[in-house]
Amino acid sequence: EAGVAQSPRYKIIEKRQSVAFWCNPISGHATLYWYQQILGQGPKLLIQFQNNGVVDDSQLPKDRFSAERLKGVDSTLKIQPAKLEDSAVYLCASSLGRATGIPNYGYTFGSGTRLTVV
Amino acid sequence: AQSVTQLDSQVPVFEEAPVELRCNYSSSVSVYLFWYVQYPNQGLQLLLKYLSGSTLVKGINGFEAEFNKSQTSFHLRKPSVHISDTAEYFCAVTLQLMFSGGYNKLIFGAGTRLAVHP
Repeated sequence: EAGVAQSPRYKIIEKRQSVAFWCNPISGHATLYWYQQILGQGPKLLIQFQNNGVVDDSQLPKDRFSAERLKGVDSTLKIQPAKLEDSAVYLCASSLGRATGIPNYGYTFGSGTRLTVV
Repeated sequence: AQSVTQLDSQVPVFEEAPVELRCNYSSSVSVYLFWYVQYPNQGLQLLLKYLSGSTLVKGINGFEAEFNKSQTSFHLRKPSVHISDTAEYFCAVTLQLMFSGGYNKLIFGAGTRLAVHP
C-alpha cells in the first residue's frame, strides 16, 4: 500500500512569512496527526484529527498555526507568520483505527517536511 | 504529567555486540508502548509495539522489548547489532486521556542515537 505522502520535502522561508504543508494519508485511515520535531528532540503532537474533526489541538500554537482536514482525507498545516523557533521537521501520521480504544493498527508516518526559518 | 524518558541520548556500540536502549514512562493509566526507528532524512518506522498479553515483544530487524509494569519500563534490545542499525530510536507511549473524551495521545521520548562502529 502507498505510504503517507507529504510535500514539500524541504522549505526555506524568512521569518514573518507564511508557509503551508500538505499531507495525504493512507487511503481509509480515519485518524491523522501532525507532529513537530525540533532537531535533537522527539516529535511533539500538534494536532489530531478523526475524519475531518479535531480531537486534540491542545499543543497547537493557535495564534500562528492552523490546520484542516478536507473531507476527512488530505490535510494542510499552515504557519502564519513564521518565527525562527518554528524551524523543525513537520511529520504527518495516519492510523487505520479510531482515535479511541486500543491502537491495534499503530501509526504510519510520512517522511516529513523540513522547514528552515531564516 | 505524563512523560517518556529515554535514559541515554547516545549509545555507541561495536558491530555484533548486544545493545539495550532504555525507556521509562510515567503514567497511572493504561498505556500502549511503541518503539520507532528513524533513519537520516526519513520518517519514523515502527519497530514493535506492546498492546497487551505477553510482556516480551518481538519486532522487525531482530529487535525485541520487554514491558515491565512494576518498573514502568519498556527497554529495547538486540543481541547482535549491524552497521545498518545506526539510527535514532524513539520510545513512545499512547495515553488515553479522559479529559479529551478518551482519545489516545501518542507521546514520544527525546530519542536515543545508536551508533554502530565496525
